[in-house]
Amino acid sequence: NAGVTQTPKFQVLKTGQSMTLQCAQDMNHEYMSWYRQDPGMGLRLIHYSVGAGITDQGEVPNGYNVSRSTTEDFPLRLLSAAPSQTSVYFCASSPGTSISNEQFFGPGTRLTVL
Amino acid sequence: GENVEQHPSTLSVQEGDSAVIKCTYSDSASNYFPWYKQELGKRPQLIIDIRSNVGEKKDQRIAVTLNKTAKHFSLHITETQPEDSAVYFCAARVSGGYNKLIFGAGTRLAVHP
Repeated sequence: NAGVTQTPKFQVLKTGQSMTLQCAQDMNHEYMSWYRQDPGMGLRLIHYSVGAGITDQGEVPNGYNVSRSTTEDFPLRLLSAAPSQTSVYFCASSPGTSISNEQFFGPGTRLTVL
Repeated sequence: GENVEQHPSTLSVQEGDSAVIKCTYSDSASNYFPWYKQELGKRPQLIIDIRSNVGEKKDQRIAVTLNKTAKHFSLHITETQPEDSAVYFCAARVSGGYNKLIFGAGTRLAVHP
């Protein structure tokens, strides 16, 4: 098992550009989520999904879109990048809550918006 | 909205000493409280968790205690070692939110030889 994978590892964007951060898991997990990590602010939930075709907003959803067309993939789209979106982005997955609550994190994507 | 507060933000101890990190949460219906460790440049990894029907849980040198009445929980690390140096995050699962977690801001622990 590769676990949770994310691409790219690093990305630099100019203000106004759009891009998609990729996330995939091969553990057949129902639940997937996206977090951003900023210094002194911990991990903040952007969007999450409880299964294919179902997504919902987290704490800081503005400026981001997600979709979940398959169980394996959960891409995060930045529609028009802003300097405030400079951060480290982590994708995570977990089984259904009746099985386990542990969230498994990907390696992260470091995004800089100029 | 739901909130998790974590203290202290930084903690420095000598090797062999104990370290305690404390968190409080706002959602009284939260029922699951994990702790994650993040080493520099790495991803967060679960080190211990506790459910609301348990008051304490231990795993070798680490333990977590939960006080539901006061809505706070703590991480205890005994006999600290330099490899315990990392950032530690507490979290609380939001009620009715499937596995939706709200994280604390983190504690940077430094263990000095």
